Amino acid sequence: EIVLTQSPGTLSLSPGERATLSCRASQSVSSSYLAWYQQKPGQAPRLLIYGASSRATGIPDRFSGSGSGTDFTLTISRLEPEDFAVYYCQQYGSSRITFGPGTKVDIK
Amino acid sequence: EVQLVESGGGLVKPGRSLRLSCTASGFTFGDYAMSWFRQAPGKGLEWVGFIRSKAYGGTTEYAASVKGRFTISRDDSKSIAYLQMNSLKTEDTAVYYCTRWYGDYGFDYWGQGTLVTVSS
Repeated sequence: EIVLTQSPGTLSLSPGERATLSCRASQSVSSSYLAWYQQKPGQAPRLLIYGASSRATGIPDRFSGSGSGTDFTLTISRLEPEDFAVYYCQQYGSSRITFGPGTKVDIK
Repeated sequence: EVQLVESGGGLVKPGRSLRLSCTASGFTFGDYAMSWFRQAPGKGLEWVGFIRSKAYGGTTEYAASVKGRFTISRDDSKSIAYLQMNSLKTEDTAVYYCTRWYGDYGFDYWGQGTLVTVSS
């Protein structure tokens, strides 16, 4: 099973600032099958990024993903008030799908 | 518009069974794999299992934590995916989400979730 580690656990930033979230895998993620999700309290997760760097339908271009192999990054170029949430990375390249523990982005 | 609606959650005693349903609309259900995820109160996301489309054999895969107790099935004629949960444990308490798996494009649509509470 591929174990995903996310850092930092919590990121305290102000609106307008840049957020950089990291996701590291215990082994190489097949074909960059790495996704990022945003989750707000009481809501289902929302797909932001798939294939490590492709934005899902309707996702603003301030969200970008990068990386390959075992190291991946989600960047939010300028935080909007609605971006304060928990972000999870997920690998779906193996038949045992796994998530990272999440990074909470909160308001400083 | 794609919609996924879970139902069947509730309070159940340890050792008992429960079946969740995921009713889909807005897309050709039979063309997609479907997956179930869960989230225990205050915790992160956990994959439960998935079922491939009939074109890929309709086979299933499960997380180790539920293998042998949970079964995923599908009725393409009704556009419904099921999660049969047997021998429930207190640690199965969670919100259960149904999702559409769009292959390389990830899990692009999620239901609103249904809460399953396992308690005596």
